[in-house]
Amino acid sequence: DSGVTQTPKHLITATGQRVTLRCSPRSGDLSVYWYQQSLDQGLQFLIQYYNGEERAKGNILERFSAQQFPDLHSELNLSSLELGDSALYFCASSPPVGDGSRDTQYFGPGTRLTVL
Amino acid sequence: AQSVTQLGSHVSVSEGALVLLRCNYSSSVPPYLFWYVQYPNQGLQLLLKYTSAATLVKGINGFEAEFKKSETSFHLTKPSAHMSDAAEYFCAVKVSGTSYGKLTFGQGTILTVHP
Repeated sequence: DSGVTQTPKHLITATGQRVTLRCSPRSGDLSVYWYQQSLDQGLQFLIQYYNGEERAKGNILERFSAQQFPDLHSELNLSSLELGDSALYFCASSPPVGDGSRDTQYFGPGTRLTVL
Repeated sequence: AQSVTQLGSHVSVSEGALVLLRCNYSSSVPPYLFWYVQYPNQGLQLLLKYTSAATLVKGINGFEAEFKKSETSFHLTKPSAHMSDAAEYFCAVKVSGTSYGKLTFGQGTILTVHP
């Protein structure tokens, strides 16, 4: 158990819908990362937040957005869903600056999204 | 920019045999390198990491990896495979020395262990 929690575990929805994925980082971690894992694209970085602020952006579609709240949990919002958005979405967290393990990202169990 | 190439999408070994999973990286700055393992229907678990200290890194479950700058490689090895090692393994690279920044993953190698 990495200490990172993600809800829900599974999500089945229809095209055109909007969903929200939730992530709680490990206690004390300030950074949250979102990744998408699909069969054709592999593991792709989407976005990173550090203590509530966006820090880095990857291949995240405009239909997707994220935020990190004051209690440090994060949400990934996916809208106007398409079949191709079906994937496993991972959240990871890492310790803050000054921590010897700051470079290590700890992954949650993932949310499997199926778009029908 | 960083990239990772994992040679061999599938590797099959017999129980007790040497495990060798290959990873080559490309990075314009000194990299940090990681190996993660993913068991079916689970998240990614960190096996080991190289962060510019010792070039031979020991991880969990008997795995180790050696950072070879001249070969831009970070191959994962285990002297004797166990049935429980069957999983998918991912090599990843990150820009060193920052508390932020993405991991760039390879395409993964599925390890099968035969009795």
